[in-house]
Amino acid sequence: DIQMTQSPSSLSASVGDSITITCRASQRISSYVNWYQQKAGKGPKLLIYFASNLQSGVPSRFSGRGSGTDFTLTISSLQAEDFATYYCQQSWSSPPTFGHGTMVEIK
Amino acid sequence: QLVESGGGVVQPGGSLTLSCVASEFPFSGYGMHWVRQAPDKGLERVAFIRFDGTYKIYADSVKGRFTISRDNSKNTLHLQMNSLRPEDSAVYYCAKGVPWNDHCFDYCGQGTLVTVSA
Repeated sequence: DIQMTQSPSSLSASVGDSITITCRASQRISSYVNWYQQKAGKGPKLLIYFASNLQSGVPSRFSGRGSGTDFTLTISSLQAEDFATYYCQQSWSSPPTFGHGTMVEIK
Repeated sequence: QLVESGGGVVQPGGSLTLSCVASEFPFSGYGMHWVRQAPDKGLERVAFIRFDGTYKIYADSVKGRFTISRDNSKNTLHLQMNSLRPEDSAVYYCAKGVPWNDHCFDYCGQGTLVTVSA
């Protein structure tokens, strides 16, 4: 199985800050990375697919980059509603695997 | 919208069937997933079924014990879970697939909690 190593596991930031979360795949996976947001008590929601494509309805302050093994999710100008846990996922091969998540907390 | 039901407490070795009723999108045109999350743990895609039910795939951890199925006439997805183990305890989410990939999903229901315990 492809391992997805996500960092940091948590971070504290303030409204208006810009943050970046990274994900490294254990083998090359082209651009087959998706990013999800999960809020407390809810299921995950797709933010970014194929590494850099913004899902419909997702604010443009979310962006993704990368290919091969290294990927990033950036949130520019954090808003109060962005405090949540974020997961990367590889969709290159079965089984699809997820990073362990990054909890973004209010400083 | 996706609404799961059927969770509960079951003894090890027992069975449970989860259901998910979909609305507000053309259910018969989309693949569907079951995704689970153990308490304070990460995400695991348990099973996937294509839009017409012709292709199904399972996580190794549940293969041979769980069965995914769908009834497009009733906009309903099911997960039959047999030989349940304590490690199957989790919140189970029904998730709507995306057209371009069998491993990606765009949103989930609110989840249903399964607890396997004696």
